Formats: sequence, structure tokens, C-alpha cells
Amino acid sequence: DTEVTQTPKHLVMGMTNKKSLKCEQHMGHRAMYWYKQKAKKPPELMFVYSYEKLSINESVPSRFSPECPNSSLLNLHLHALQPEDSALYLCASSQLRLVRTKGETEAFFGQGTRLTVV
Amino acid sequence: QQPVQSPQAVILREGEDAVINCSSSKALYSVHWYRQKHGEAPVFLMILLKGGEQKGHDKISASFNEKKQQSSLYLTASQLSYSGTYFCGTGSSGATNKLIFGTGTLLAVQP
Repeated sequence: DTEVTQTPKHLVMGMTNKKSLKCEQHMGHRAMYWYKQKAKKPPELMFVYSYEKLSINESVPSRFSPECPNSSLLNLHLHALQPEDSALYLCASSQLRLVRTKGETEAFFGQGTRLTVV
Repeated sequence: QQPVQSPQAVILREGEDAVINCSSSKALYSVHWYRQKHGEAPVFLMILLKGGEQKGHDKISASFNEKKQQSSLYLTASQLSYSGTYFCGTGSSGATNKLIFGTGTLLAVQP
């Protein structure tokens, strides 16, 4: 199973709402990622989790709150978003290998959640 | 810092070749190549881990010039299925894959 599953596929929320995006993988990957992608732009890294701990936060506003409850699940909690936060949110996972053992590996991406903030 | 790709867009006829370049202002530890079709997730193509490395499968290959901090993706005898946006990604030297995508190249293959 090389799938990363994201739910929901589409989400419309108001600026005062609280919602969550969910991501799941069963490949045994210990690194998980959130990316944000605007139309016709490359994916922008938001967060990286390694061994269920937040290892990278790319200066993302606090209205985005990630959570990794276990090695298979990654959530992104959304609160008080702005219309400019409307985008495709991609989750990805990969194996995590230390530099000394060599080898980076590919990242597997989910199909994304298309978020519209109204 | 985001790698810069060129060209921004290219239109090909089936069977023609194309080259997509990726250039970084920072030292490259590794280069990843992904293809994303409209409305779909990015799909992994290949990783190049050291300077001078070349890889390929089928009719898509890539090279990595560590000294020039550049990588190139070569598409030979393009097929309709090659259409999409191609992204290079730069990997980090740390323990975590911090994958930063390049600006992207839109490739359209026409019959």
C-alpha cells in the first residue's frame, strides 16, 4: 500500500469556523509533511513531523495548527482562516533516514484537500 | 530559497524532446524530480544524490551538476502522458527530508 489518504477532498469554511484536515498513511513512514499549493504555483512546505514530533515549522501563522497523534496520522487544525488561505493542502510522507546511513527517499503525496475560505 | 526552473512552459509535439533546467543559489545536497498533472498529487520521478550522477528510466533521464548547483531533466520522444507540471526539489543535508520545490515547468505534449 503506497497510498497517502487525505480527507476531506473539498472543504468550504467561513472565517470564524474551526475545521480539521486529516492525512493517513500505512507505509511505516516516520516523516510526514504538510504543503500548501496555490493555483499554478509549486507546493510550499508548511510543517514537517519526524517520529511524531514537529521538526520544522516554516513560519506558518498560528491559525494553522498541526498535530501528529501517531505514526500513521497527521492532522491540520484550522481556525480563523482568511480568504487568502484558500488553496490545495497536500500531505506527504517518506521514510526518515539519518545522513550517516545515506540515502534520501521519495515523498509520497496525497491527493490533497481543496480548501475554500469564504 | 526556492530553486528556479527554466523554461516556465513548453509545448511539444508527440515524439519531440525537451530539457527542463533547475538552478539553485544554495548548495544542492540532492535533487528530486516530480511531475504533477492537473488536479492530482505530485508523483515522484527520481532522486539524484551526488554531483555527476545521472539517472533515467524509460525515456526520462536527469543529470546533477553539483558544482554549478544545477540539475536538468531530459524527456526523449515525448508522449501525451508526459504532459503536466514538472518540479525539481532540493533536499536538505539534515536528518529530515526538507523538500523545497522549484518554480515549476508546465509541459504540454500535443498529438
